[in-house]
Amino acid sequence: QKEVEQDPGPLSVPEGAIVSLNCTYSNSAFQYFMWYRQYSRKGPELLMYTYSSGNKEDGRFTAQVDKSSKYISLFIRDSQPSDSATYLCAMSVEKTQGGSEKLVFGKGTKLTVNP
Amino acid sequence: DAGITQSPRHKVTETGTPVTLRCHQTENHRYMYWYRQDPGHGLRLIHYSYGVKDTDKGEVSDGYSVSRSKTEDFLLTLESATSSQTSVYFCAIARGNEQYFGPGTRLTVT
Repeated sequence: QKEVEQDPGPLSVPEGAIVSLNCTYSNSAFQYFMWYRQYSRKGPELLMYTYSSGNKEDGRFTAQVDKSSKYISLFIRDSQPSDSATYLCAMSVEKTQGGSEKLVFGKGTKLTVNP
Repeated sequence: DAGITQSPRHKVTETGTPVTLRCHQTENHRYMYWYRQDPGHGLRLIHYSYGVKDTDKGEVSDGYSVSRSKTEDFLLTLESATSSQTSVYFCAIARGNEQYFGPGTRLTVT
């Protein structure tokens, strides 16, 4: 079993729809949870960062962590064509030598928002 | 924008040749990382650095070496490139617990 599972999609929705993106994980020690957005041929861009359980909202984006179910979600409200991208979840627990976080990534879900 | 640049942005090289990719940052961050991204595998950590001359291996380090002689530069070297190293390579820095990525280098080994 992979540490982080993410449905690759592709996911296609009409403009204005609510989008739900999800990841499941197996390591109950994960504490930090992130969502990255990656446009085609660009580097990943940090979208949301959450520590432990609960919700975090930023504009049209809401990140949700359910540690009891080992499940994280990203909701996009009023989706726009400019939201079309690949969304990567990432999580960490382990400190590398020297104190930095070591991230484990999902494989990404490709989202297309149609006008 | 985390002030990260990568060079070259694109490179085509032949099997068996050495290749060096450069990551440059302008914000004096301590932690720097090299990842590769491949279809079906996602982002995987190759090597990382936690200070000048301080580096360690990641998940997929075989065939790669790194060096960091000054804070702002982190070099990734493929000593003898193989076709399996065709990939997109991303550099990242850590700002607190958050990692920020550069624009990537697209490497093709023929």
